Amino acid sequence: SQTIHQWPATLVQPVGSPLSLECTVEGTSNPNLYWYRQAAGRGLQLLFYSVGIGQISSEVPQNLSASRPQDRQFILSSKKLLLSDSGFYLCAWSVFSGRARGTQYFGPGTRLTVL
Amino acid sequence: DQQVKQNSPSLSVQEGRISILNCDYTNSMFDYFLWYKKYPAEGPTFLISISSIKDKNEDGRFTVFLNKSAKHLSLHIVPSQPGDSAVYFCAARARYNFNKFYFGSGTKLNVKP
Repeated sequence: SQTIHQWPATLVQPVGSPLSLECTVEGTSNPNLYWYRQAAGRGLQLLFYSVGIGQISSEVPQNLSASRPQDRQFILSSKKLLLSDSGFYLCAWSVFSGRARGTQYFGPGTRLTVL
Repeated sequence: DQQVKQNSPSLSVQEGRISILNCDYTNSMFDYFLWYKKYPAEGPTFLISISSIKDKNEDGRFTVFLNKSAKHLSLHIVPSQPGDSAVYFCAARARYNFNKFYFGSGTKLNVKP
């Protein structure tokens, strides 16, 4: 079965510091990968998605970036965090074959607080 | 521009009764709809989905109804259980981009024992 890991679970960072969140998927090949953010009291906002190694699509202009160095690894980064970057960050995966075509499955999330 | 809306931020239901969670959308190009359940400090868990070619999909205690003319989606939970207490998100995907899901803001369901 497929498993998705995210770390760290919680993170407190000062404004202006860098960020690196990592997501890995096990049990599937060639997944599409996604980064979402949930701000307090809001729905999930798609930040980036990737359909393959090195292929990144950005949905929202911001000071965040994403990279996919390996098939099942997705990284969210920032060079300088802003207060508005605080939120709950979720990684998700999907595949477009089989019965649940395109359904996205989420990791446990990272709670980021920028002070 | 929020294309998927959940207008009820919270819902309280007695155990054993039916819970009905509602969702409205504006984009007629949406062709796939999903419901997710989320506990605090955890990622959303996929519950049930429905394609736009159907108007109903059932899985155990969960049934999703789709009314395309009204652009309305609902999730019925029967019977409701205390363990169902969580935030429920509806999501929709457009046929022109299989990778982009639009999420509602969520409805917090409280099932009272």
